[in-house]
Amino acid sequence: EAGVVQSPRYKIIEKKQPVAFWCNPISGHNTLYWYRQNLGQGPELLIRYENEEAVDDSQLPKDRFSAERLKGVDSTLKIQPAELGDSAVYLCASSPERASGEQYFGPGTRLTVT
Amino acid sequence: KQEVTQIPAALSVPEGENLVLNCSFTDSAIYNLQWFRQDPGKGLTSLLLIQSSQREQTSGRLNASLDKSSGRSTLYIAASQPGDSATYLCAVRGGNQFYFGTGTSLTVIP
Repeated sequence: EAGVVQSPRYKIIEKKQPVAFWCNPISGHNTLYWYRQNLGQGPELLIRYENEEAVDDSQLPKDRFSAERLKGVDSTLKIQPAELGDSAVYLCASSPERASGEQYFGPGTRLTVT
Repeated sequence: KQEVTQIPAALSVPEGENLVLNCSFTDSAIYNLQWFRQDPGKGLTSLLLIQSSQREQTSGRLNASLDKSSGRSTLYIAASQPGDSATYLCAVRGGNQFYFGTGTSLTVIP
């Protein structure tokens, strides 16, 4: 079974530039999460999807971050414009069930903003 | 808001030793607790998931326990190996939110 796929694995951009990350969850997993992980910290949830619906985006900085999961499968997270403080690892995870499901994580995208 | 704490932040043990990693949380109203390992530059790998109705889960040399009333979970690793060296994170699910600890960095010395 293929795991959660993310691309790119690494991205270096200058501040004020846009950037996008892509995630393809495990087949059949309805729930998809985007997390941000700063160095030495645990992941922090940015947004959670149930199928194509964003059911929890309370932690997403909506002035510069946006996400979509148009067909309820793969998802894109965008930052525009990027700031120095956005440098982090962006992790995508998926889960087969709503309340009690186990989360499966992708390898992450390491973003460096210079 | 749920707060998850992992102590110690770092641990170094000789190969073969049994060890325990700790995870504590402030709100006992949880759905489940999940233990992960994270290798440098990599994503998180799920180790064990304990539902709120369960007391423990076992997988190979790993055993995780859950005591909701005291807000604690432990991850027991038997006969540690150098390949166990990684950061171990616990995550608590409460409501529709997942809360992660900051992890324990484990080094197993050959």
